[in-house]
Amino acid sequence: DVKVTQSSRYLVKRTGEKVFLECVQDMDHENMFWYRQDPGLGLRLIYFSYDVKMKEKGDIPEGYSVSREKKERFSLILESASTNQTSMYLCASSPPGLAAEQFFGPGTRLTVL
Amino acid sequence: EDKVVQSPLSLVVHEGDTVTLNCSYEVTNFRSLLWYKQEKKAPTFLFMLTSSGIEKKSGRLSSILDKKELSSILNITATQTGDSAIYLCAPLSSNTGKLIFGQGTTLQVKP
Repeated sequence: DVKVTQSSRYLVKRTGEKVFLECVQDMDHENMFWYRQDPGLGLRLIYFSYDVKMKEKGDIPEGYSVSREKKERFSLILESASTNQTSMYLCASSPPGLAAEQFFGPGTRLTVL
Repeated sequence: EDKVVQSPLSLVVHEGDTVTLNCSYEVTNFRSLLWYKQEKKAPTFLFMLTSSGIEKKSGRLSSILDKKELSSILNITATQTGDSAIYLCAPLSSNTGKLIFGQGTTLQVKP
């Protein structure tokens, strides 16, 4: 059974803290994605990766960075969290190929105070 | 700029009703369109549509793509309370290899 897991379901951090969100997939997928989801805005792509050590900016990369040291793990880093980064963060993975379905993790609801 | 618009944004119906959700898109080098259902947590895949006019069906759900009109519809017949969710439409651009998500339609089915 296809599985994407995220390290935390809920997270509360303070402004200025460094935040790590971890995502692990067990499907040997090449592609991994980080989205944030906000009411009325849908899912917006932050960063994605087509291979180990490879990363591409999505539509809203400002204030975020990523790391992909191993194929199964894709980390999203908030270098200095701000209140406008309070959101639901969703990780997804997919096999190679442009028409591939993306499989989503359960999401991390991050609150920055 | 790529754009996806879903309508309506929200909908309240009663069990047994039939609903039609709409998705319009403007995407450079359109490749395919995916529909997802999102309940409390992760979006789950429903359909991938690549060819115009060919209906995809799964139980009470069906979907079709109209490439001429740059749109897709998702139909749900005989709705049940378990159909209550956010329905997301996401065209895929072969230009960028990215899914472009719409805002979603929030469906509430009342008993």
